[in-house]
Amino acid sequence: DAGVIQSPRHEVTEMGQEVTLRCKPISGHDYLFWYRQTMMRGLELLIYFNNNVPIDDSGMPEDRFSAKMPNASFSTLKIQPSEPRDSAVYFCATSRAGSTGELFFGEGSRLTVL
Amino acid sequence: QKEVEQDPGPLSVPEGAIVSLNCTYSNSAFQYFMWYRQYSRKGPELLMYTYSSGNKEDGRFTAQVDKSSKYISLFIRDSQPSDSATYLCAMRYSGNTGKLIFGQGTTLQVKP
Repeated sequence: DAGVIQSPRHEVTEMGQEVTLRCKPISGHDYLFWYRQTMMRGLELLIYFNNNVPIDDSGMPEDRFSAKMPNASFSTLKIQPSEPRDSAVYFCATSRAGSTGELFFGEGSRLTVL
Repeated sequence: QKEVEQDPGPLSVPEGAIVSLNCTYSNSAFQYFMWYRQYSRKGPELLMYTYSSGNKEDGRFTAQVDKSSKYISLFIRDSQPSDSATYLCAMRYSGNTGKLIFGQGTTLQVKP
């Protein structure tokens, strides 16, 4: 398996623009997580899905952030409008029900909002 | 107060040194404890996994959990330059949500 695939790897945009980050999970994994990593705050859980259903979105910072998982093979995290404080590395991670709960991470999408 | 506290470092040691990395946590309901390693510009990868209290050894790595003190440790023996990375502790509650709470991560540099 190719692992968790994220795109784009790097995104530079201007304040106010819409940003869409994409994730293709590992086939057969039931859980999908979106994390954000910054130097100041470390790795923060934004939202996670189980079998394509959002379970906990309490980490989503505000209404500008939204996430969807239309099917088992694809998820998006959208920021609209983007702000400079959204600059971070966004990770998608997946895990399989019944396992130890190990998360498999993608390589991340590095977002810079100017 | 964060649920999981971890000193971000950075920590710099000479090659061959013993490294000790630590995390404290506040919620006694955590049952599963993990250490992830993250190389620069990569995603974290699972390094060690421990359920409840006790020790676990894997090669040069030893993970310890002391639930009475709410304290977990990762020891690296005979550290190598290839061990230079950020080490993140992570933990979760019992049940099968898979939701992990991470520490901030400690950046380790092992100098040749």
